[in-house]
Amino acid sequence: GQNIDQPTEMTATEGAIVQINCTYQTSGFNGLFWYQQHAGEAPTFLSYNVLDGLEEKGRFSSFLSRSKGYSYLLLKELQMKDSASYLCAVPYPNAGNMLTFGGGTRLMVKP
Amino acid sequence: DGGITQSPKYLFRKEGQNVTLSCEQNLNHDAMYWYRQDPGQGLRLIYYSQIVNDFQKGDIAEGYSVSREKKESFPLTVTSAQKNPTAFYLCASRDLTSTDTQYFGPGTRLTVL
Repeated sequence: GQNIDQPTEMTATEGAIVQINCTYQTSGFNGLFWYQQHAGEAPTFLSYNVLDGLEEKGRFSSFLSRSKGYSYLLLKELQMKDSASYLCAVPYPNAGNMLTFGGGTRLMVKP
Repeated sequence: DGGITQSPKYLFRKEGQNVTLSCEQNLNHDAMYWYRQDPGQGLRLIYYSQIVNDFQKGDIAEGYSVSREKKESFPLTVTSAQKNPTAFYLCASRDLTSTDTQYFGPGTRLTVL
């Protein structure tokens, strides 16, 4: 089976750095996705990690450790517009790349 | 403009009625997906399709039906058998030949009165 765990909510201050963790269990690893979703809107793709290590993309970075079943999304220089839910997802193995999503982490950025 | 469109944005339905949600994409993507999202929760897969005239059940297919008569279109029907249909419905698509990433439409918020 597949299982993903993320914290439900986090709060951080504008300009700060925040790390959102995700742990997963899957019978056949095929990458890990991070999506951002503002309230009432569609998720938008942030990152895809398939190899161990840190991938940086502007203010956002994503880290993966396959041996630990662990990933995190790092947001730097937080802005108010970063207030959103952040969804961690992994594909089902050998199943048309269906995604299993975590419950999402709602991040609130305060002034 | 290329993209995924869903209509309508908001939909109200009386209990006991079937309703069909539209999803169209002009990205030439092979695979299309329907997800349901309840308040404060993640996405759950309803149905998916990798090719025209073929589709597979996801985790929560009961009370829903789909069709894939054209590559561009993957409508979802919420039937009266779905006991708790009020939710946010998201359609996604993916190009199976070039990327593992799914791209989402803007969603339809269905409310059953």
